[in-house]
Amino acid sequence: QQPVQSPQAVILREGEDAVINCSSSKALYSVHWYRQKHGEAPVFLMILLKGGEQKGHEKISASFNEKKQQSSLYLTASQLSYSGTYFCGTVGGYQKVTFGTGTKLQVIP
Amino acid sequence: ETGVTQSPTHLIKTRGQQVTLRCSSQSGHNTVSWYQQALGQGPQFIFQYYREEENGRGNFPPRFSGLQFPNYSSELNVNALELDDSALYLCASSLDGQRTNYGYTFGSGTRLTVV
Repeated sequence: QQPVQSPQAVILREGEDAVINCSSSKALYSVHWYRQKHGEAPVFLMILLKGGEQKGHEKISASFNEKKQQSSLYLTASQLSYSGTYFCGTVGGYQKVTFGTGTKLQVIP
Repeated sequence: ETGVTQSPTHLIKTRGQQVTLRCSSQSGHNTVSWYQQALGQGPQFIFQYYREEENGRGNFPPRFSGLQFPNYSSELNVNALELDDSALYLCASSLDGQRTNYGYTFGSGTRLTVV
């Protein structure tokens, strides 16, 4: 079952912060986060593993609550380059990534 | 290191025809996953190949089939094309399909239009 993301869309001014949430109905081993710009392929941002180990890059952080089967992506001091659609990807039993419903983020000057 | 390359970039086919999409995985990656992405939607999992074996399949009919070769490149074949098959097809490679702690590297996709 597809993870549900909220909000569906958000508009920020440069320098503002945002939080994107991802909720799954299934137990999770890990959560991925990706950003996709219009007409381009999704780009890996980071992964959060069961047990707390985190991998990733760029000035973006995330949390993973295993008990609640939820993850949140935190974007601070947003830049124009942060614009795009953000997808969480959850990993359950089959080692495959199931992508969420997506959150469209637009950063304006 | 080279990234993931997909070919062709765009394709127009007629309903009922067959199509083959190709993907070269990133150097060192042994796992390839295929996704279908409709406009405005998240990618939907089709199947995954790990070391030339199918390693999981999503809710897609048998007319969607695939292969992985010894060099870990992969093909996606779709038979009896339907209008609803029109979408962006994404290939993603990763380091090890048996573990969960590696991110995916996506190709730029093949835009398939069925008319």
